Amino acid sequence: EVRLLQSGGDLVQPGGSLRLSCAASGFTFHSYAMSWVRQSPGKGLEWVSGISPRGDSTFYADSVKGRFTISRDNSKNTVYLQMKSLRPEDTAVYFCARHRTTVSTSKDHWGQGTLVTVSS
Amino acid sequence: SYELTQALSVSVALGQTARITCVGNNIGNKNVHWYQQKPGQAPVLVIYRDTNRPSGIPERFSGSNSGNAATLTITRAQVGDEGDYYCQVWGSSSWVFGGGTKLTVL
Repeated sequence: EVRLLQSGGDLVQPGGSLRLSCAASGFTFHSYAMSWVRQSPGKGLEWVSGISPRGDSTFYADSVKGRFTISRDNSKNTVYLQMKSLRPEDTAVYFCARHRTTVSTSKDHWGQGTLVTVSS
Repeated sequence: SYELTQALSVSVALGQTARITCVGNNIGNKNVHWYQQKPGQAPVLVIYRDTNRPSGIPERFSGSNSGNAATLTITRAQVGDEGDYYCQVWGSSSWVFGGGTKLTVL
């Protein structure tokens, strides 16, 4: 069974940093691209970032480029999202998701979500 | 940047057919994926690459894509089909979501 277990969400002050983790199990992690998607309270889904299976290609939404960094450790079956210079508008539930294969394919499994709140 | 437009809400009578549309410039040339999201839950993929159903998704869910619009069709709508539905496409090295459509089954 595919499982994506997320952790790291928290309350952080504007300008602060936070790292989210997504631990995968039940599949050959290094064969699949992964992404982060967020959802602000009461709003729709927004794709944040994606990473290729080997980690050699990364992609970012314009809204987070230069502030967020996606990475993965295939030896630990974990994908990360390092967030810096956080803003109130980054407040959202963040989901990690597995792609069917490459980053350009659909997302067939999702984590449970973790809440990030940016507020003073 | 590429934009996808969805109606805010769609209502359907129990047992009837619901159609949720996603409009984008020449969207027929792209692969469209559809997700269902129920309150407090993570999204679930219901259609990928325009017309394909993942395992476990009922045959009542189908998709089409042509020209400037893609459509998710749900036949014999059930109360359990209520939720928000999002279309998504891969653009220029980035993903784009539609704004989402809230489906209500009356």
